[in-house]
Amino acid sequence: SQQGEEDPQALSIQEGENATMNCSYKTSINNLQWYRQNSGRGLVHLILIRSNEREKHSGRLRVTLDTSKKSSSLLITASRAADTASYFCATDGASGSRLTFGEGTQLTVNP
Amino acid sequence: DVKVTQSSRYLVKRTGEKVFLECVQDMDHENMFWYRQDPGLGLRLIYFSYDVKMKEKGDIPEGYSVSREKKERFSLILESASTNQTSMYLCASSPGTSRVREQFFGPGTRLTVL
Repeated sequence: SQQGEEDPQALSIQEGENATMNCSYKTSINNLQWYRQNSGRGLVHLILIRSNEREKHSGRLRVTLDTSKKSSSLLITASRAADTASYFCATDGASGSRLTFGEGTQLTVNP
Repeated sequence: DVKVTQSSRYLVKRTGEKVFLECVQDMDHENMFWYRQDPGLGLRLIYFSYDVKMKEKGDIPEGYSVSREKKERFSLILESASTNQTSMYLCASSPGTSRVREQFFGPGTRLTVL
């Protein structure tokens, strides 16, 4: 079964607004990663947060991790039309170097 | 920059054909992965490899095999293509074997099996 599940499945906002996407997972993790995928392309790594971290920032991205709730959120501030993409969370676990991806959130930022 | 390349962006094959999907990375990464991506199912891991000549089954290995004869190249083989293997195939690589790192993805191959 899927380790990570994103919520919502689709999100449509206006340029300048903030976008928040959530990810829930089922088993213990070492770290959680977020990726972005433009339509028809490969995934690009955005940010990694370790299990002993609660919050991490990178530019307009803010990621939080709550291991007690087995959940993470990705916040994109001041969104731009170019942020339109699918966003995936990915978790590792006791299995080692492999990741398990969620089904993704499709974000549309309208100009 | 890390570069992961895949041999084809689009591929059309017929049922029963043997299909080779090639992936090459230029960063000397130990780990390489093959995923397929389908609407509503996200990315599913087919096979991965930690080193040359090593391979491990992922979540959906049935109908696929892999080959890793050189560190930079990881091939996915569909022994006898079927229509349910129509999908987007993504290759990825990552450094190291001791713990999880970020993965670097190729652009994907959209395979259609008729």
